[in-house]
Amino acid sequence: GENVEQHPSTLSVQEGDSAVIKCTYSDSASNYFPWYKQELGKRPQLIIDIRSNVGEKKDQRIAVTLNKTAKHFSLHITETQPEDSAVYFCAASSRGNEKLTFGTGTRLTIIP
Amino acid sequence: NAGVTQTPKFRVLKTGQSMTLLCAQDMNHEYMYWYRQDPGMGLRLIHYSVGEGTTAKGEVPDGYNVSRLKKQNFLLGLESAAPSQTSVYFCASSPFSGARGPGNTGELFFGEGSRLTVL
Repeated sequence: GENVEQHPSTLSVQEGDSAVIKCTYSDSASNYFPWYKQELGKRPQLIIDIRSNVGEKKDQRIAVTLNKTAKHFSLHITETQPEDSAVYFCAASSRGNEKLTFGTGTRLTIIP
Repeated sequence: NAGVTQTPKFRVLKTGQSMTLLCAQDMNHEYMYWYRQDPGMGLRLIHYSVGEGTTAKGEVPDGYNVSRLKKQNFLLGLESAAPSQTSVYFCASSPFSGARGPGNTGELFFGEGSRLTVL
């Protein structure tokens, strides 16, 4: 089955700086890669996703890049703000597979 | 529109007791999932369902059973609770699989979570 590894497990960034979280996946058939944000005590919520037919996707301060050859994808947050503090999860699934496999999460702390 | 609702929100059990977690969604979604969340281990899939009357095993199904008698409800049962089942449980629903093709977001909509402690 799919295995998703996520790094780092914790990340502290000065407010206004950029944050990068990286994930690798094992199944070359995977073609859908979402990112979820979970604020303290809250439910996970989708913030951005990418499919394997594109290499990069942006939504305001958030971007995701995908390298299919190397089987890794990354989340980039620019101009970080205090409200970006949360746990971020990457995930992967493949065509015909109804399941998402999640990474172990990255706790991002924005330092004012 | 309540989205995905889980009950109960909190529960304390003794080892060997049984209980059922109820997940209800009002978005007419086909797919429903039960995940458990433990520190440092992310979200691990317990069981899932791709439609009314269907269930399938996820990564960590042992010790749990599920049923999907109605499209809007997905029940997670613990027949004989163990301390290793202490966790936060999240239910989720999705209109489509994430990999079914263009136009289908595959987004998972999560419930608020249920914190279960087994003593």
